[in-house]
This record gives sequence, C-alpha cells and structure tokens, in this order.
Amino acid sequence: AQSVTQLGSHVSVSEGALVLLRCNYSSSVPPYLFWYVQYPNQGLQLLLKYTSAATLVKGINGFEAEFKKSETSFHLTKPSAHMSDAAEYFCAVSDIGDYKLSFGAGTTVTVRA
Amino acid sequence: NAGVTQTPKFQVLKTGQSMTLQCAQDMNHEYMSWYRQDPGMGLRLIHYSVGAGITDQGEVPNGYNVSRSTTEDFPLRLLSAAPSQTSVYFCASSYEAGRTGELFFGEGSRLTVL
Repeated sequence: AQSVTQLGSHVSVSEGALVLLRCNYSSSVPPYLFWYVQYPNQGLQLLLKYTSAATLVKGINGFEAEFKKSETSFHLTKPSAHMSDAAEYFCAVSDIGDYKLSFGAGTTVTVRA
Repeated sequence: NAGVTQTPKFQVLKTGQSMTLQCAQDMNHEYMSWYRQDPGMGLRLIHYSVGAGITDQGEVPNGYNVSRSTTEDFPLRLLSAAPSQTSVYFCASSYEAGRTGELFFGEGSRLTVL
C-alpha cells in the first residue's frame, strides 16, 4: 500500500514569507498525489492534485506543488504567506486505480504577523 | 447545497455503549468513506463503499460496522465503545470513487469515550 511522509509537524512563517511543506511518497510507481487543507473545526478540502499530467500543479489560494519522480516528492509551496493560510495541511496518496486514499500525519502552519 | 452532512457533531459515551454516526450526501456520489483523525497520525481509513450494497474494510476497521443501503447514506456503527475510539470522525464522498477525484468531507463528529 502507498504511504506518504510529511517532514515537520509544525511550520512557522512570517506573513509574506515563502511557505514550503514537504511530502515524500513510498512507491517506485508514480501514484496519484493530493494536498488537502483543514481549517480549525472544519473538514478537509482539496488544495490540488497530481494525476500524471503536468508535474507542476497549481491549486487554490496561490498554492502549487511539484511532482519529482527522481526524489519521490510532492512538496507544497506558496510564495507569500497570508494570515489566512494558518491551518493544518495533509499530503495524501492513492495507487492508480485504487479507491483508498492514505494521508500523511499533517503539518500545522502558523503565520506570524 | 448541503454536501456531506454528519450527525451528531459531538458525543460522549461510556465504555461499552453503542452508537451510530450518521453520514448523508446529496451529490449522488458512488464512493463514500469513514476516516478517524488522531493527533500526529493524520487520517486513517476505517471503512469505505463504492456503491449501494458494497462495503469494504480500510486500515483500522476493528470495532466498527458499516452498511450502505442507499447511495445517500453511509452510517458508522460502534458496537461496544472503548476509550481507544475517542477521536474525530470524518465522512467523505467522491464522484470518481476516490481514484482521481476530489474527496468531499463532512465537518466531523467528535467522539469521547469515558
């Protein structure tokens, strides 16, 4: 089964600074990859997804992620953090053709004024 | 558009009690699933369904039952609650059986077992 590892359970950035959240997947066969965001006391919502098309994927709220097969990575970035980006972010993976989505442990982002 | 609706939002049980967490979606999604969220562990799949009458186990199914009699509803039953089942539970659905599509989540049900 596929799995993902998120490096860093907490990230603190200044408003306007770069946001970088790291995610590595386990398989040698490129899977489908996702980033979800969870705001306090809410369910998760999709930020972006990679399904074997373009390796640079753009999502909502100015986020983007790059699929790098050689590094088995799918890191999430945003050039300039906003206070509203404070949330928990989850990387997720599924095998092609599989129904099940496996989530990483999550990274909590704090934005400092 | 209601999306995915979970009830109740909060529940406190005593060890050994049973209860059902309700999940309903109005998007005609074939795929529905239940996850539990625990600090530092992300979300773990409990059970899922790819259509009415079809269910299967996820990563952590022990102590939970599900059924899918209609496309809209996917209840999660705790047979005999244990403190280890204290968690936040999320129901999610998808129009592409979760393979390349987006999972739509409910707002969660916070369960405490004493």
